Amino acid sequence: DVKVTQSSRYLVKRTGEKVFLECVQDMDHENMFWYRQDPGLGLRLIYFSYDVKMKEKGDIPEGYSVSREKKERFSLILESASTNQTSMYLCASSLMGQSSYEQYFGPGTRLTVT
Amino acid sequence: AQSVTQPDIHITVSEGASLELRCNYSYGATPYLFWYVQSPGQGLQLLLKYFSGDTLVQGIKGFEAEFKRSQSSFNLRKPSVHWSDAAEYFCAVGPSGTYKYIFGTGTRLKVLA
Repeated sequence: DVKVTQSSRYLVKRTGEKVFLECVQDMDHENMFWYRQDPGLGLRLIYFSYDVKMKEKGDIPEGYSVSREKKERFSLILESASTNQTSMYLCASSLMGQSSYEQYFGPGTRLTVT
Repeated sequence: AQSVTQPDIHITVSEGASLELRCNYSYGATPYLFWYVQSPGQGLQLLLKYFSGDTLVQGIKGFEAEFKRSQSSFNLRKPSVHWSDAAEYFCAVGPSGTYKYIFGTGTRLKVLA
């Protein structure tokens, strides 16, 4: 079974802090994704990565950056957290290729910025 | 523009009743279609997917979905709902050639005992 783990289930940070959200997958997937989930808005893509050190912006990259130094690990960074970044953050991974578009999700990190 | 619409924000059914969750998409080519389920406090789990072939697809937990190209729909069904099916359900489209998925806003299912 594919396993995607996220470093924290719940996180409380102060405005202006630098925040790191870590995601690790154990199935050698090429693709990794960070989403933000808000009520009534569904999932919105922040960034994705298709290889080590490769990344592409999603729909809402502003205020976020990412790092992928190893294939299994994809980090989301909030350089200076703001209250409007309070949300649920979901990491996902998938194989490369048309036949493997299904994504595997981690349990999520609920971030509160005060 | 590509989009996915789940017109029902909340649905309540009695345990043992049948269920249908609606999903409509807007996309120019043949889409890759998915249904995911999210239990409280959990990530999303894939229920089923449609890429091509038989338009009626079977998934886990007794769910099925039917792709209807003429109606641009991919509705999720279950003949008899169990209390453990209470969760939020997301429909998603993943077009070929890109990594980008488009998710619907979700339907929250409540099951009455």
